[in-house]
Amino acid sequence: GAGVSQTPSNKVTEKGKYVELRCDPISGHTALYWYRQSLGQGPEFLIYFQGTGAADDSGLPNDRFFAVRPEGSVSTLKIQRTERGDSAVYLCASSIGTSGYNEQFFGPGTRLTVL
Amino acid sequence: DAKTTQPPSMDCAEGRAANLPCNHSTISGNEYVYWYRQIHSQGPQYIIHGLKNNETNEMASLIITEDRKSSTLILPHATLRDTAVYYCIVRVPKGGKLIFGQGTELSVKP
Repeated sequence: GAGVSQTPSNKVTEKGKYVELRCDPISGHTALYWYRQSLGQGPEFLIYFQGTGAADDSGLPNDRFFAVRPEGSVSTLKIQRTERGDSAVYLCASSIGTSGYNEQFFGPGTRLTVL
Repeated sequence: DAKTTQPPSMDCAEGRAANLPCNHSTISGNEYVYWYRQIHSQGPQYIIHGLKNNETNEMASLIITEDRKSSTLILPHATLRDTAVYYCIVRVPKGGKLIFGQGTELSVKP
């Protein structure tokens, strides 16, 4: 079946602009996770949803970052007033549940470049 | 979340077994050990996970010590396509966020 998809695959924007990154999870997966990966580093947790609600947003770096999942499926990560330090690969993952034995399946990521 | 320690890099000859170690001395009794790998420019790929018992699937085997303070991921017959960064993660039983470390960069050589 189809895996996790993310669009766009690449996004180039200018400092100060607003961007939206989209994630389509695997059908039927109730949990959705966002991570950010800077060059040479492991992925860093941002936020996760159980259904429509954000269950843990402790990894969001500041209030310029916001994510929604209004119908419990597709999620959008929104970044306001982008800064050069926001440049990274943004990864989305989904899982059938949030228990420790539910593996997360990752998408290919969106590479964000802020000029 | 318990912290993990992995060697930064390892080499393995093609066709040989690759044994990737991980220390997680502060792991709690209900925390799982997960392994993911990331091939260049792709998202992380799930490999295997375990709680107490050794586990095997079509990709790899996971050996967890009896005291659960360390584990080893075994790729029985490494191929060039197994060249990747391998992450060992200790995961809490509920909530599910993954805390990645630096991982081990495995290079499989012909």
